[in-house]
Amino acid sequence: DTGVSQDPRHKITKRGQNVTFRCDPISEHNRLYWYRQTLGQGPEFLTYFQNEAQLEKSRLLSDRFSAERPKGSFSTLEIQRTEQGDSAMYLCASSFAGARNTEAFFGQGTRLTVV
Amino acid sequence: AQKVTQAQTEISVVEKEDVTLDCVYETRDTTYYLFWYKQPPSGELVFLIRRNSFDEQNEISGRYSWNFQKSTSSFNFTITASQVVDSAVYFCALSEYNTDKLIFGTGTRLQVFP
Repeated sequence: DTGVSQDPRHKITKRGQNVTFRCDPISEHNRLYWYRQTLGQGPEFLTYFQNEAQLEKSRLLSDRFSAERPKGSFSTLEIQRTEQGDSAMYLCASSFAGARNTEAFFGQGTRLTVV
Repeated sequence: AQKVTQAQTEISVVEKEDVTLDCVYETRDTTYYLFWYKQPPSGELVFLIRRNSFDEQNEISGRYSWNFQKSTSSFNFTITASQVVDSAVYFCALSEYNTDKLIFGTGTRLQVFP
């Protein structure tokens, strides 16, 4: 296992289309996070899972956004009816929370461009 | 509310110069973690260091060193003898103790010229 993997790396879509991104965390990590990063800004927290349970969602996550982690392993982030303002880098991270928490390890991100 | 401020938007240095990246944070939590991440042009955030709020000892790792001062809510990062490969955007971040949810600053872009 070489780290957090995200697919696709780049996505160009027309406004109004739906898109789905996938994140495969480090295998033994039970926590998985989604962040969004726009140009010139730091990543902003969107949501996180512990195993399959979605424990927190940011107010940034409008009802057009949905995230799942059905078996506590990989996760998907879907954006419905995309808008130009959704153009950003979507980053996934994972960590282990237990007797000794690890830091979060990030994937290379999915860059979304809405035209 | 939690907040991380990185006042330096961009820093340019010549190779072999030392450079310090500033980070100031705000939190009402008594227990928290502080982080530095590096983001090279490839886009992946690379973990550099994590410190918990109870550990104010400074840390050195090779050419990197960190100065944590709770009294001034600062967690500054120094690169000694900078190299071209250090060119990247550096983010300081803060997390709550229980969730590991990260609050990032806006980043400092470091350019090291040969």
